[in-house]
Amino acid sequence: HVQLQESGPGLVRPSETLSLTCNVSGDSMTSFYWTWVRQAPGKGLDWIGHVYYSGSADYSPSLKSRLSISVDTSKRQVSLRLNSLTPADTAVYYCARSSAAFLEVDSWGQGILVTVSS
Amino acid sequence: DIQMTQSPSSLSASVGDRVAITCRASQSISSYVNWYQQKPGKAPKLLIFAASSLQSGVPSRFSGSGSGTDFTLTITSLQPEDFATYYCQLGYSPPLTFGGGTKVEIK
Repeated sequence: HVQLQESGPGLVRPSETLSLTCNVSGDSMTSFYWTWVRQAPGKGLDWIGHVYYSGSADYSPSLKSRLSISVDTSKRQVSLRLNSLTPADTAVYYCARSSAAFLEVDSWGQGILVTVSS
Repeated sequence: DIQMTQSPSSLSASVGDRVAITCRASQSISSYVNWYQQKPGKAPKLLIFAASSLQSGVPSRFSGSGSGTDFTLTITSLQPEDFATYYCQLGYSPPLTFGGGTKVEIK
C-alpha cells in the first residue's frame, strides 16, 4: 500500500519559487507516473503535471514555462518546482500516483496548503 | 488540448435517489475517463477508471458508462456518505484535464 507525503513551505512570497517534495513509501515507484494536482480554495482540481519513473515529464500548458517536476527513485522522492509565484498559485498541492494504463490517480497524499502572500 | 465539460455543477438529492453526472469530452477519447469523489478537506478518491471499471473497494452502487465523447457516473440508491463533490478526468493524453466538478447535496 503506497503512502505519499508532501513537504515544503506553507507560505511563499510573490515572485519567489515554490519547492515541494513528495516522499513515497510502501510500494515500488517503477512503472507509475508521479503526479501533482492542486486545488485553489473553494475551487476544482487542477492537473499540474506528472513524471514517469524513468524521468520523462508532461506539464500543464498554462504552467509549463514556470514548472519543473522530477523524480529520484533512489531517494524515493518526487519534486515540484514552480517559479514566479503569484497569489493565484495559492492552493492545496497534492502528490499522487497514476497508473500507466488509463492514467487514473489511484493514490493521493494528504495535500499541503501553500499560500502565496507578502 | 481536450476539454472536459461536466454537468450539472450541483444537484440536490435524497437518500435512496438515483443520481447521474455527465462529462463530455471536446473530442473522442475512447474510454479514457476516470471519476473521483472528494469530501471537504480530504484528498480525492478514485471511483471509476477506464470509463466503467470499478476501483477496488468502491461500492457497487457506483457505476460508469460511455465511450467516445459522452460519459456518465451513476450512483444508484444514494447513501448519506455519498454527499460529496465528483470530478471526471481525462486519461487519454496530457494535459489530463479535470471536469469542473459536481457537488451532490442533501435535498
